[in-house]
Amino acid sequence: EAGVAQSPRYKIIEKRQSVAFWCNPISGHATLYWYQQILGQGPKLLIQFQNNGVVDDSQLPKDRFSAERLKGVDSTLKIQPAKLEDSAVYLCASSLGEGLEAFFGQGTRLTVV
Amino acid sequence: TQLLEQSPQFLSIQEGENLTVYCNSSSVFSSLQWYRQEPGEGPVLLVTVVTGGEVKKLKRLTFQFGDARKDSSLHITAAQPGDTGLYLCAGAKSSYKLIFGSGTRLLVRP
Repeated sequence: EAGVAQSPRYKIIEKRQSVAFWCNPISGHATLYWYQQILGQGPKLLIQFQNNGVVDDSQLPKDRFSAERLKGVDSTLKIQPAKLEDSAVYLCASSLGEGLEAFFGQGTRLTVV
Repeated sequence: TQLLEQSPQFLSIQEGENLTVYCNSSSVFSSLQWYRQEPGEGPVLLVTVVTGGEVKKLKRLTFQFGDARKDSSLHITAAQPGDTGLYLCAGAKSSYKLIFGSGTRLLVRP
């Protein structure tokens, strides 16, 4: 069974630039999560989708971050404009349902200089 | 404010020693999961505990869910270098969000 696919693996951008991350979850998984993980810390939930609807985005900095999950499958996370403090690994995960085991992608390591 | 606090934050031990990692919260969770994460990879699920007081064993790892479903512990017996990694607890609440703890970084020296 194919796992969660994320791209790109690495991205370096200058502050104030824009960036987008892509996630393809495991087939049939209704729930999709985006997490931000700063070095040495646990993942912080940014947004959670159930199919193509947003379940929770309370921790998403909506002035610069946006995410969508069209057709309830693939998802993109965008940052515009980026700040230095956005440097982190962005992890996408999916699960069969809310609260069940989450399967993670390898993440995208973002460096903002 | 971290909803789930893990302790210790960092642990460096010799191969063969035992250790316990704690995950504490003031909130009640419907279930609690433990993950291990290696550098450059996403977290991978080790176990899910659902019932208060539940104990689960996975080879040398023993997981316990507190009676009140607010805390959990992970005990490793005779640690090996292959156990090195970042251990994360994650709680699922009634709103079904999956919230991760602050993490415990374990280093097992040969």
